[in-house]
Amino acid sequence: DAGVIQSPRHEVTEMGQEVTLRCKPISGHNSLFWYRQTMMRGLELLIYFNNNVPIDDSGMPEDRFSAKMPNASFSTLKIQPSEPRDSAVYFCASSFEGLNEQFFGPGTRLTVL
Amino acid sequence: SQQGEEDPQALSIQEGENATMNCSYKTSINNLQWYRQNSGRGLVHLILIRSNEREKHSGRLRVTLDTSKKSSSLLITASRAADTASYFCATVSGGSYIPTFGRGTSLIVHP
Repeated sequence: DAGVIQSPRHEVTEMGQEVTLRCKPISGHNSLFWYRQTMMRGLELLIYFNNNVPIDDSGMPEDRFSAKMPNASFSTLKIQPSEPRDSAVYFCASSFEGLNEQFFGPGTRLTVL
Repeated sequence: SQQGEEDPQALSIQEGENATMNCSYKTSINNLQWYRQNSGRGLVHLILIRSNEREKHSGRLRVTLDTSKKSSSLLITASRAADTASYFCATVSGGSYIPTFGRGTSLIVHP
């Protein structure tokens, strides 16, 4: 298995633009997590899906952020409009049942100018 | 709020020495997990210890769990320069299944 796949690996955009981050979890995993990591705030859980259904999105900062999981093999995290304070590394992780070990993707480094 | 909190925030040792990192948490847990993150990479799972376990080993890693003190420790024996990374603990409580990560311990092993 190739592990969790994220794209793009790097994204540089201007304030106000729409940003879409993509994630392909490990086949057979039914839980998917989106995290954001910054020096100031550490690793923050944004949203958690179980069996493609959003279970907890309390970590989503504001309405500019949205996430979808249309099927078991694909998820997106969208920021519209983006702001400089959204600059961070965004990680996707998957697991088999949420309470087990998570497998992280390589992350997407987002820079909003 | 972050449940697990690692201590120390930073640790600098010489190759061959042992490194010990601690994690404290506030509420009862289902399990506790340790992860490593190399610079510029995603987190990699190291060990999972369940609430009814007290100690687990994996190679040069030893994890202990004291539920009465709500704390865990990660010991890396005979450290190597390649162990340089940030180490995070994550707690999973029985109700939510949502893992909560601490801020991590930054370990530097000097060759």
